[in-house]
Amino acid sequence: EIVLTQSPAILSLSPGERVTLSCRASQTIGNLLAWYQQKPGQAPRLLIYDASTRATGIPARFSGSGSGIEFTLTISSLEPEDFAVYYCQRRGNWPPRNTFGQGTKLEIK
Amino acid sequence: QVQLVQSGSELKKPGASVKVSCKASGYTFTTYAMNWVRQAPGQGLEWMGWINTNSGNPTYAQGFTGRIVFSLDTSVNMAYLEISGLKAEDTAVYYCAREGPPIRGDYWGQGTLVTVSS
Repeated sequence: EIVLTQSPAILSLSPGERVTLSCRASQTIGNLLAWYQQKPGQAPRLLIYDASTRATGIPARFSGSGSGIEFTLTISSLEPEDFAVYYCQRRGNWPPRNTFGQGTKLEIK
Repeated sequence: QVQLVQSGSELKKPGASVKVSCKASGYTFTTYAMNWVRQAPGQGLEWMGWINTNSGNPTYAQGFTGRIVFSLDTSVNMAYLEISGLKAEDTAVYYCAREGPPIRGDYWGQGTLVTVSS
């Protein structure tokens, strides 16, 4: 079974800063990786799929990159509403094997 | 528009069973599989598995076999998650989420909190 490992677990940053979150797969998964944002009390929101494609309505400050086993999510300039937990997920394979990473919490410094 | 509406919060005693429902609307139910995701309090997202809405065949992720059953009622566009022999560690929010190409949209239910306590 493929395991996704996210780092770091917690990041403390200020609005306006640039941030890069990492997700590493235990085996190659091509580009079949998605990123989600989750705020307290809400369902996750899809940000990125196929490693680098922004989902509908997602601001351009969010970008994804990577393939194989190493993936990153970059937020170019943090807005106050971006402080949340971010998850990577293996997604797009058939049949589904939609493993999640353990999450990175982005908190305000 | 596509919607997934889940049943309300449940409070159950250890050993009991619970059945969470997920009603789909706004699309042809049997076109897309349905995933189930668990989130324990303060913890991350865990993919529990999925059910093929055409065949009704469920697939359970590692660690989610034995006390969990996914089922459907395609006549009313409903997916169900049933957990038997509830334990305190089953306390969590459970989400249904539509599988499918993200370009067609990404849809989640609002979540159902199941609390297991004596």
